[in-house]
Amino acid sequence: DQQVKQNSPSLSVQEGRISILNCDYTNSMFDYFLWYKKYPAEGPTFLISISSIKDKNEDGRFTVFLNKSAKHLSLHIVPSQPGDSAVYFCAASDTNTGNQFYFGTGTSLTVIP
Amino acid sequence: DGGITQSPKYLFRKEGQNVTLSCEQNLNHDAMYWYRQDPGQGLRLIYYSQIVNDFQKGDIAEGYSVSREKKESFPLTVTSAQKNPTAFYLCASSPYRRSSYNEQFFGPGTRLTVL
Repeated sequence: DQQVKQNSPSLSVQEGRISILNCDYTNSMFDYFLWYKKYPAEGPTFLISISSIKDKNEDGRFTVFLNKSAKHLSLHIVPSQPGDSAVYFCAASDTNTGNQFYFGTGTSLTVIP
Repeated sequence: DGGITQSPKYLFRKEGQNVTLSCEQNLNHDAMYWYRQDPGQGLRLIYYSQIVNDFQKGDIAEGYSVSREKKESFPLTVTSAQKNPTAFYLCASSPYRRSSYNEQFFGPGTRLTVL
């Protein structure tokens, strides 16, 4: 049973515009959420994270929003750049039970120059 | 340079053969993980280890085995019992501190193709 879901397999945006990637989860015990970026045939690289005590975390062009009541998080990229084209995975963890992470199926972002 | 290495990058094996994928880290991380990625799917956890000489099954452990004899190393064996072994395999590590916020660091992956 998929505990972390990314319902949009792909997303295309124009360079300079905002990219919004969405992620939903079902386990209310998750208290730590991460976004990873992945290029083909490479390992994912950590992008940004947020703990459940916050509802927003910002790092440069990347902002993650967390809505605990809706069990929903989103990643905003502003402005989008062609180098942002990659697959983005969200992941979630219940830190009280250990370091196991649950990953979504990924969203492939294409930024059109 | 600190990081995680996986070797080889590409691996080909005949059906029915066991194959071992290497994963080494010099980040001094306690926890290590193996994931499998298939097209259109997310990362699925095969095995993980939070401490030397101890490991737990993930969601898809059948047909796989691991060992954790050293902190730095967490090799994965894909046995002939694994029905669909062709996939992209990713190793990861993280510091293990319960109730702390730690991200996982990933290796470059190994593409295994069983012919």
